[in-house]
Amino acid sequence: LAKTTQPISMDSYEGQEVNITCSHNNIATNDYITWYQQFPSQGPRFIIQGYKTKVTNEVASLFIPADRKSSTLSLPRVSLSDTAVYYCLVEDSGAGSYQLTFGKGTKLSVIP
Amino acid sequence: GAVVSQHPSWVICKSGTSVKIECRSLDFQATTMFWYRQFPKQSLMLMATSNEGSKATYEQGVEKDKFLINHASLTLSTLTVTSAHPEDSSFYICSARIAGDSYEQYFGPGTRLTVT
Repeated sequence: LAKTTQPISMDSYEGQEVNITCSHNNIATNDYITWYQQFPSQGPRFIIQGYKTKVTNEVASLFIPADRKSSTLSLPRVSLSDTAVYYCLVEDSGAGSYQLTFGKGTKLSVIP
Repeated sequence: GAVVSQHPSWVICKSGTSVKIECRSLDFQATTMFWYRQFPKQSLMLMATSNEGSKATYEQGVEKDKFLINHASLTLSTLTVTSAHPEDSSFYICSARIAGDSYEQYFGPGTRLTVT
């Protein structure tokens, strides 16, 4: 069961790029890495998902090195509305079972 | 986009009573739904995996007789908290996966349960 480690909190000024790294040393071959964003008293929202190398969508990029023991979520030019908790999730859906381990999350505070 | 709803959004109940929370996938079929619990300032904790037409799979430490899960159709899963106690007060969140899709989970807005 892959365990994830993230920084507890980060601060950033508006307009800056923010990189949040998640460590998952025990990641297995079948595991995917997914990042979610959560605002207070709301369900998480999908940001991005990847298996290896780099993935980019309209809101973020995800960098995964070759050993896959970590991943970095990159948020370009953050705004105040990006203030939230960001979770790294390692998912194993092999053999029909589900191993879902949410990290403790990184509370991002964007400062004007 | 894929939308998941939960009902109710919040509920207050007395200790010893039971509460049912519904999770619906509104515009897609979900063969698998997940139920999470989240205490204040903590991460999400997976409680159980709900598969349509079969018994739910509970995580270690989660009492299956206390948290009854029914996934009767491809769009509806319910979580019933039986004989609720104040320590069951929490934020309950469901998620669903589109049948045959990737690993992305679509989360509901959550249900705030307060047991008095």
